[in-house]
Amino acid sequence: RKEVEQDPGPFNVPEGATVAFNCTYSNSASQSFFWYRQDCRKEPKLLMSVYSSGNEDGRFTAQLNRASQYISLLIRDSKLSDSATYLCVVLLITGANSKLTFGKGITLSVRP
Amino acid sequence: EAQVTQNPRYLITVTGKKLTVTCSQNMNHEYMSWYRQDPGLGLRQIYYSMNVEVTDKGDVPEGYKVSRKEKRNFPLILESPSPNQTSLYFCASSARLAGNTGELFFGEGSRLTVL
Repeated sequence: RKEVEQDPGPFNVPEGATVAFNCTYSNSASQSFFWYRQDCRKEPKLLMSVYSSGNEDGRFTAQLNRASQYISLLIRDSKLSDSATYLCVVLLITGANSKLTFGKGITLSVRP
Repeated sequence: EAQVTQNPRYLITVTGKKLTVTCSQNMNHEYMSWYRQDPGLGLRQIYYSMNVEVTDKGDVPEGYKVSRKEKRNFPLILESPSPNQTSLYFCASSARLAGNTGELFFGEGSRLTVL
């Protein structure tokens, strides 16, 4: 099983749609979780951290399910500007070392 | 302005010609890392550094070297580049990787082509 796996894509949705991405991780000892956004030909940037209780930032909601080892990102009322690649990221700390593992990313295209 | 700066942004070179991609951050971050991004493979970690003079291999270190002689700089060295090292490279830094506050800041990327 891969360390971090994301939904296969791409996703192509109309403006205003609600879209959800899932991501599973293999190591149950993983401590922290994030969603990053990457625009075409640009560097990834942090979109939001994922908290155990779930968290919301405007139209974006992130959730964590430790029992099933997955995280999700929900985007409501999609905008054209949401078109990008979304990367789920998992942090594992073992002793003095920290490792961030990135999913391959899922591309979202929002059409007018 | 807080940033991670990579140079060069674009480079075309030939097999075997040593090259260095520089990375510098002005945020006094302890953690720095190099990634390569290839279609269908996502971001893969090459090397990382938890602090000055401390470097460790990531998932794909073969063919690369790094050094961390000072906090702000973390150059990536390709001693003898090969075509399979053609990729988009990102340098990143973080104050600390712990909890939910360990945001990773990326440079703009360096697109390397090895002929």
